[in-house]
Amino acid sequence: AQKVTQAQTEISVVEKEDVTLDCVYETRDTTYYLFWYKQPPSGELVFLIRRNSFDEQNEISGRYSWNFQKSTSSFNFTITASQVVDSAVYFCALFTGGGNKLTFGTGTQLKVEL
Amino acid sequence: GAGVSQSPSNKVTEKGKDVELRCDPISGHTALYWYRQSLGQGLEFLIYFQGNSAPDKSGLPSDRFSAERTGGSVSTLTIQRTQQEDSAVYLCASSLLGLAGGYEQYFGPGTRLTVT
Repeated sequence: AQKVTQAQTEISVVEKEDVTLDCVYETRDTTYYLFWYKQPPSGELVFLIRRNSFDEQNEISGRYSWNFQKSTSSFNFTITASQVVDSAVYFCALFTGGGNKLTFGTGTQLKVEL
Repeated sequence: GAGVSQSPSNKVTEKGKDVELRCDPISGHTALYWYRQSLGQGLEFLIYFQGNSAPDKSGLPSDRFSAERTGGSVSTLTIQRTQQEDSAVYLCASSLLGLAGGYEQYFGPGTRLTVT
């Protein structure tokens, strides 16, 4: 069985602070994919990144970066110099070969204040 | 191009009535998914369509729920004899191919269903 844990329910930061959202996953499969999605107040889930289990390279996209570590089963997401527009719920998700669905974490509510 | 669209955006219905929720996937996407998002339950998978293959219905919570996908495009999720616990946001997503290929899903804005 697979599981995704996002232990941080809610994080509040002041604009321009850096913030890291944690994601820990469990699976016995050796081939899997990890995803991050953003859900702003409008409600629509927005795809941010996909990472497969064989690619442990960290990735940077503008102010966003992701740290994938198989040794600790973690796929953490860092926002540098946060902005108010980053306020949203962020979901980490896992796909393994055992089904046709994404297993989502419970999400982290990020609030960025002025 | 156009993203995934869903209608209606909001639906209020009385307990016991049937409802139909519609999803228009991104053109050319062969895979279509339905999820349900409710407080306390997070995001739950409901059903998956891939091309002309038989759908994966393993996530449907009861036989009151059904879905179809016509012509490999538009999908309709039907809930019969709605109950208050069916109140949730129903999300539709599509992807170019299935998750097995690592293809990301693109989500629609959802339909907020309220059963009174």
